[in-house]
Amino acid sequence: RKEVEQDPGPFNVPEGATVAFNCTYSNSASQSFFWYRQDCRKEPKLLMSVYSSGNEDGRFTAQLNRASQYISLLIRDSKLSDSATYLCVVNPLSGSARQLTFGSGTQLTVLP
Amino acid sequence: SAVISQKPSRDICQRGTSLTIQCQVDSQVTMMFWYRQQPGQSLTLIATANQGSEATYESGFVIDKFPISRPNLTFSTLTVSNMSPEDSSIYLCSVERGTGTDTQYFGPGTRLTVL
Repeated sequence: RKEVEQDPGPFNVPEGATVAFNCTYSNSASQSFFWYRQDCRKEPKLLMSVYSSGNEDGRFTAQLNRASQYISLLIRDSKLSDSATYLCVVNPLSGSARQLTFGSGTQLTVLP
Repeated sequence: SAVISQKPSRDICQRGTSLTIQCQVDSQVTMMFWYRQQPGQSLTLIATANQGSEATYESGFVIDKFPISRPNLTFSTLTVSNMSPEDSSIYLCSVERGTGTDTQYFGPGTRLTVL
């Protein structure tokens, strides 16, 4: 079983749609959680951290369910510029970047 | 935020040769990391480059194949030695966003194709 598993995708949605991605992780002791965004042929960039209480950043909402060991990302009112691969990232050791474990990513294409 | 540059941005190499990838950061950082991202795959950590000491390699990666240098707090190199087509990948360096944090800035990557 992979340490971090994501929806396989690809997701093709029309502009303005709401889309949700899920991610599960195997290490119940994981400490911190993130969503990164990777545009085609570009490097990954941090989109947002995921907190136990859930957090929102504009059109993006991230949630964490420790009991079920999954993380979600919700994108509302999708824009063409949201087209990218979204990487779920889990860290079993808070405060150390070395242990980051990356999911294989979910590809999103927002269609006009 | 840190600005990271990598050289070369891409290369096509013959099997059996070696390629050295450079990573330059615009500020001093304690930890630098080297990742590999194979086609259609996610990122896999190769090693952590420590200034003034040997790099720390992850399981499945060895120094003979991926020697790393870290001469100062702003620069590191990764060499892919004795390349084979299986080494075709994107190689990315990254740095911590802040001391003791667990988020990272990534360099733009080096796209390597081995024929």
